[in-house]
Amino acid sequence: QKEVEQNSGPLSVPEGAIASLNCTYSDRGSQSFFWYRQYSGKSPELIMFIYSNGDKEDGRFTAQLNKASQYVSLLIRDSQPSDSATYLCAVGYSTLTFGKGTMLLVSP
Amino acid sequence: DADVTQTPRNRITKTGKRIMLECSQTKGHDRMYWYRQDPGLGLRLIYYSFDVKDINKGEISDGYSVSRQAQAKFSLSLESAIPNQTALYFCATSGDSNEQYFGPGTRLTVT
Repeated sequence: QKEVEQNSGPLSVPEGAIASLNCTYSDRGSQSFFWYRQYSGKSPELIMFIYSNGDKEDGRFTAQLNKASQYVSLLIRDSQPSDSATYLCAVGYSTLTFGKGTMLLVSP
Repeated sequence: DADVTQTPRNRITKTGKRIMLECSQTKGHDRMYWYRQDPGLGLRLIYYSFDVKDINKGEISDGYSVSRQAQAKFSLSLESAIPNQTALYFCATSGDSNEQYFGPGTRLTVT
């Protein structure tokens, strides 16, 4: 059984702070790693993907991958109230397994 | 216009009825997927298709069937709906890179 684990939260941070979201996975054969943002009642929106060990930065978002530790993280710098949402980690090879998500709350 | 569309957006049906959810995409992707999302259980894969002649069961295919009518169209059917199939259903598409893009979802209630 392929598993993707995330802390359900909520993770509360003040506006302007760095939010750190974490994810671990069980399938060592996984080759693609994604972060999705989902607002309540809406569909998941792809915000970051990473395929190689290390860091990948895109604007205020940084994805970090450590395949040896089977660990993926997402950093959000200068967090804004509009970043308040549930963040889903997805991992896989030909298909994806999704974590249950971490709720992020950014307070003004 | 949205790249991935789903119809209907909301549906209430009775136990035992047959229902079809439809998905269309204009992204030109070969791969299409059906997921359901339940509170506390996350997104779970029902069926997926990597091209028009390819259909694969996902994690929770029992009680569901699919049809890939064309590259752009992928339908999900509930042959005899039951209350525990009440959920939010999402269609997604991807290219070879596995980056999946989701439709707006269908909220299905089975009474």
